[in-house]
Amino acid sequence: GQQVMQIPQYQHVQEGEDFTTYCNSSTTLSNIQWYKQRPGGHPVFLIQLVKSGEVKKQKRLTFQFGEAKKNSSLHITATQTTDVGTYFCAGPSNAGGTSYGKLTFGQGTILTVHP
Amino acid sequence: DSGVTQTPKHLITATGQRVTLRCSPRSGDLSVYWYQQSLDQGLQFLIQYYNGEERAKGNILERFSAQQFPDLHSELNLSSLELGDSALYFCASSVDGGGNTEAFFGQGTRLTVV
Repeated sequence: GQQVMQIPQYQHVQEGEDFTTYCNSSTTLSNIQWYKQRPGGHPVFLIQLVKSGEVKKQKRLTFQFGEAKKNSSLHITATQTTDVGTYFCAGPSNAGGTSYGKLTFGQGTILTVHP
Repeated sequence: DSGVTQTPKHLITATGQRVTLRCSPRSGDLSVYWYQQSLDQGLQFLIQYYNGEERAKGNILERFSAQQFPDLHSELNLSSLELGDSALYFCASSVDGGGNTEAFFGQGTRLTVV
């Protein structure tokens, strides 16, 4: 079945350093979504990418969707302590080009930021 | 507030017992997903319902079952509980059933099996 792999599993940075997490799917995705889960919290939707090669920015966060629509990345510039949490990518399963649900999440990248 | 309500927030029960977790989706959302999250682990997809029908199934154990009712709320039933079932169980809802729109997560139910 479809697999969504995410690396790295953990990332420790000093405040002000940049951070990147990568997501790879075993199948082509119709879209990819990114979520953030704060410690002790629940996942919260950040963004959705749909088009091949799409790049979207949210303040210090930059999201990219690969040309083949099988990989994606999230880059945070100049991390802050408020960025702490687990970042997940997620994509729907598909068969024959049609998405049919089963939103599959990557294992997540746990980001810690040292002040 | 995501608009998704999960009850109870915490549950402590003994091995061998059965529990029911409840989820009320956001108003207007037809799709409900259930996920299991163990300590420092990712979100393991269990099952999805869309407008009352089972839409997709993940690695859900036979001891677990779920359903979505006509009012669209969903219940996840866990039986013959084992220590390893201790985890955070999340429910999420979305408008569509194809995973093409954002999912809104509830606060989760933390299940502890002793």
